[in-house]
Amino acid sequence: AQSVSQHNHHVILSEAASLELGCNYSYGGTVNLFWYVQYPGQHLQLLLKYFSGDPLVKGIKGFEAEFIKSKFSFNLRKPSVQWSDTAEYFCAVRGGADGLTFGKGTHLIIQP
Amino acid sequence: DTAVSQTPKYLVTQMGNDKSIKCEQNLGHDTMYWYKQDSKKFLKIMFSYNNKELIINETVPNRFSPKSPDKAHLNLHINSLELGDSAVYFCASSQVSLSSYNEQFFGPGTRLTVL
Repeated sequence: AQSVSQHNHHVILSEAASLELGCNYSYGGTVNLFWYVQYPGQHLQLLLKYFSGDPLVKGIKGFEAEFIKSKFSFNLRKPSVQWSDTAEYFCAVRGGADGLTFGKGTHLIIQP
Repeated sequence: DTAVSQTPKYLVTQMGNDKSIKCEQNLGHDTMYWYKQDSKKFLKIMFSYNNKELIINETVPNRFSPKSPDKAHLNLHINSLELGDSAVYFCASSQVSLSSYNEQFFGPGTRLTVL
């Protein structure tokens, strides 16, 4: 069975700081990885996804993630965060028709 | 047009009642899902429904039953509601093909409160 582990449950940063959120996964099949963001009171939105090819994936709003197969990791990064990045971030691994398996989420707070 | 819509947005009800949440997608996707997000924001798959095949998460109580009248709808029925059912329920859809796995699009969520 697949599983996803997000290392940081709460992260507090100042504006303009660099961000890296850790994600490790366990899955025996073809890897499809995702990062979703949930802004306060809103639904989940896709930030970026990895299916195959270039392990460095660019997403929306300046986010990127790097798939490192040997480490079973898919960490999310942003060089300079903004106050509007305050949200809950979820890493997820593919389940095909079985759906996505999510990590427990990282609550990111950006202080102005 | 909203891609994945859910109704109602908020649902407050008493223990023991039976309630339904509706979900509709206009993306032409072949697979729909229900997820539960608990008070700690943890998201867990409950069901997926693909071409009339239902895949159930074995941890979901049988008081929960999804019903799909057609490919664009997957409704969630909950019988004998319990306090622990209070959560936000998200519907999602995707196009699952043999050659690729596409992202899931999520609805706005339904906040269920059981008193």
